[in-house]
Amino acid sequence: EDQVTQSPEALRLQEGESSSLNCSYTVSGLRGLFWYRQDPGKGPEFLFTLYSAGEEKEKERLKATLTKKESFLHITAPKPEDSATYLCAVRRGPGANNLFFGTGTRLTVIP
Amino acid sequence: ETGVTQSPTHLIKTRGQQVTLRCSSQSGHNTVSWYQQALGQGPQFIFQYYREEENGRGNFPPRFSGLQFPNYSSELNVNALELDDSALYLCASSSGLAGAYNEQFFGPGTRLTVL
Repeated sequence: EDQVTQSPEALRLQEGESSSLNCSYTVSGLRGLFWYRQDPGKGPEFLFTLYSAGEEKEKERLKATLTKKESFLHITAPKPEDSATYLCAVRRGPGANNLFFGTGTRLTVIP
Repeated sequence: ETGVTQSPTHLIKTRGQQVTLRCSSQSGHNTVSWYQQALGQGPQFIFQYYREEENGRGNFPPRFSGLQFPNYSSELNVNALELDDSALYLCASSSGLAGAYNEQFFGPGTRLTVL
């Protein structure tokens, strides 16, 4: 059975304290792993797509990496405005068009 | 470039009623997917529409139905509402052929409360 597990469920960081969020997946025929950021009561905001093991992508203080079993979202020197829930999702294939989401990591960055 | 828009923002209904939610896709996008997000959970796939045809469905009963129009906007209809249908309903649009590995961009969602 396909599974996406995110850890930790919640994370509190001091401003400037770097850390990593984990997304472990078991899926038949991965056709992309996606990271989204979601603020309370709003829709998810697209961050990154990773397609193959070893791939890395960066955007400002965020860096996403992918292995055959998991993905990490590294946050370097976070700021309070980085506080949000970070969602990981996989697209299964072949023939599957939907995203299968984990339950997210709720990040709080304290000034 | 206009992003994904959804209406209404909030909605309160009673058990047994019917509801219609609306979504306008991002300019240039021809595929719309609908998701249900319960509090504290990740979004769950309901169904996807590509060129006005349903193109994949998640584990939701037939009382969840949808439409896509020639301008690629979409509706989600839910009949015989149940208390567990209370959730944030998200619409996401993407471009290209159905099944293509393109990113999905989400709208702000419709918060549905069933009393």
